Amino acid sequence: SAVISQKPSRDICQRGTSLTIQCQVDSQVTMMFWYRQQPGQSLTLIATANQGSEATYESGFVIDKFPISRPNLTFSTLTVSNMSPEDSSIYLCSVLGEGSGYTFGSGTRLTVV
Amino acid sequence: AQSVTQPDIHITVSEGASLELRCNYSYGATPYLFWYVQSPGQGLQLLLKYFSGDTLVQGIKGFEAEFKRSQSSFNLRKPSVHWSDAAEYFCAVGPGGDYGGATNKLIFGTGTLLAVQP
Repeated sequence: SAVISQKPSRDICQRGTSLTIQCQVDSQVTMMFWYRQQPGQSLTLIATANQGSEATYESGFVIDKFPISRPNLTFSTLTVSNMSPEDSSIYLCSVLGEGSGYTFGSGTRLTVV
Repeated sequence: AQSVTQPDIHITVSEGASLELRCNYSYGATPYLFWYVQSPGQGLQLLLKYFSGDTLVQGIKGFEAEFKRSQSSFNLRKPSVHWSDAAEYFCAVGPGGDYGGATNKLIFGTGTLLAVQP
């Protein structure tokens, strides 16, 4: 299965600032996803990152708040913009590889103060 | 509606005891089913997955799961739990055979937190 490198692994940010999270995959993948895991909660899909086109956002998530880039088939970024304490979560990228297996990055633990 | 239910929020077992974590799903099409484990502060690691065929699937770390279509269940089991198994376990369902379509997302259960007593 694909190996994902996600960084940063954690960060503490001031409210009102933005953080960009990177996800690098060791092989070309068609489907990349970004999830949010709020404290004590399960995972919620933010968006599907599409190569060469705009990301597809789930209900409740908007591009202005969570802009996503997908410049090629091995890389994507998620930006959390104008952060507030409510954005404190773990953010995970995921890829759908061959054999229909979903692999996850190790996550970015974000704390907004 | 598509959903995954993990009825047990928190389970405590003694080391060496057997374990069963429950998962029920509601899905309109043929599902792919997954179990993931998350250690504190870590990402998700795939334990096992079911796509088709034998309904009893073997995974890593001695885990297995059985798909029961009639019960819409995919329970995770381990015959003898080790202290290192303490973690949170997530069941997830995804679209079977629809990759490349509009519904590739995984739907996760709320998780079961496993504690292991010495």
